[in-house]
Amino acid sequence: EVQLVQSGAEVKKPGESLRISCKGSGYSFTSYWISWVRQMPGKGLEWMGRIDPSDSYTNYSPSFQGHVTISADKSISTAYLQWSSLKASDTAMYYCAISVAARLTSWGQGTLVTVSS
Amino acid sequence: AIRITQSPSSLSASTGDRVTITCRASQGISSYLAWYQQKPGKAPKLLIYAASTLQSGVPSRFSGSGSGTDFTLTISCLQSEDFATYYCQQYYSYPWTFGQGTKVEIK
Repeated sequence: EVQLVQSGAEVKKPGESLRISCKGSGYSFTSYWISWVRQMPGKGLEWMGRIDPSDSYTNYSPSFQGHVTISADKSISTAYLQWSSLKASDTAMYYCAISVAARLTSWGQGTLVTVSS
Repeated sequence: AIRITQSPSSLSASTGDRVTITCRASQGISSYLAWYQQKPGKAPKLLIYAASTLQSGVPSRFSGSGSGTDFTLTISCLQSEDFATYYCQQYYSYPWTFGQGTKVEIK
């Protein structure tokens, strides 16, 4: 069974750094891209970017470029989303998802990130 | 970026009703459109891709149509488990973009 398991909820202060993870199982991790999607409280879905785990090539939405970094470690079938300096506006649920021919076929359970002083 | 305008933002319907949700792209995207269902507190679920292809395991009461700029998701006979929020997404060009969502509520 294809599965993406994300790391647990985080509570951080503005200015702190953070890395959340997404571990794939039940499929060949390097065969499909991983995308990250943000959902702010009570709001819709926003595509942040994607990574090809086979070579770590990335595409970012301009809305997120420069503020987050997407990476992957294929040796442990895990993708990451990281911030070097969090803002209160980063408070959201973050989902990873497998991109099969660009459609988002399987999703992780989500990681809630809360940024508050 | 391609803008996706989804309508309506919400609707009230009864079990058994036929429901239609539309998405309009700001430029032609061929058939590179997907539909997702999201229930409260859960991750989205892929329903339809390539505008009209049903994802494996999705009930046949869901259908999609359209190409170019105008797309439709239809639920032919609304069931209780279909009350949720629905999103469309274009994957024709980067950045991939979503519609604003349509919340389907019980009348």
